[in-house]
Amino acid sequence: AQSVTQLDSHVSVSEGTPVLLRCNYSSSYSPSLFWYVQHPNKGLQLLLKYTSAATLVKGINGFEAEFKKSETSFHLTKPSAHMSDAAEYFCTCTPSGYSTLTFGKGTMLLVSP
Amino acid sequence: EAGVVQSPRYKIIEKKQPVAFWCNPISGHNTLYWYRQNLGQGPELLIRYENEEAVDDSQLPKDRFSAERLKGVDSTLKIQPAELGDSAVYLCASSSRGGGSYEQYFGPGTRLTVT
Repeated sequence: AQSVTQLDSHVSVSEGTPVLLRCNYSSSYSPSLFWYVQHPNKGLQLLLKYTSAATLVKGINGFEAEFKKSETSFHLTKPSAHMSDAAEYFCTCTPSGYSTLTFGKGTMLLVSP
Repeated sequence: EAGVVQSPRYKIIEKKQPVAFWCNPISGHNTLYWYRQNLGQGPELLIRYENEEAVDDSQLPKDRFSAERLKGVDSTLKIQPAELGDSAVYLCASSSRGGGSYEQYFGPGTRLTVT
């Protein structure tokens, strides 16, 4: 069985400052890990994914995440927040080769001017 | 390329009424998923199709929910009768193939309110 814990329900940053959204996973198998973003009234959009290749994964819009097996973490970062980054972010995982995604509860990112 | 299309976008019904949601996946995508997203939660899988076969429906409440994917293209999810607790956003997603490394593309969802 797998599970995902997003450690913060809300994160507030100022525009231009770094973003850190934290995610820990629990999986019995080598997992595939993903970060999705959901803007209001929009579908989820894939930001990036880890599927057992490079542990530092670069995604769209300047986001990146590092897979740390020893810490069972897959935190999402961005050096400089933009107002358009304000949205809800979901960390998900699935055992490698399987399709069923297990989603975290989400982290709402608030960006102030 | 057109994305995943869902309709309607919003639906308000009274409890005990039936309701249906429609999804058209990205052309050529064999795998289709239905998720339910409750307020303040992440999506939870209801059912997954590989072509026209439902290969994972373990989380689908079969007493009131049903789904079909005739011809392995578009899909319909039905609730009959609806209960107050069914109020949620119902998301459809598709991927080119099953397997965790294949990206799932999500539609905008149908927001259901049961009164």
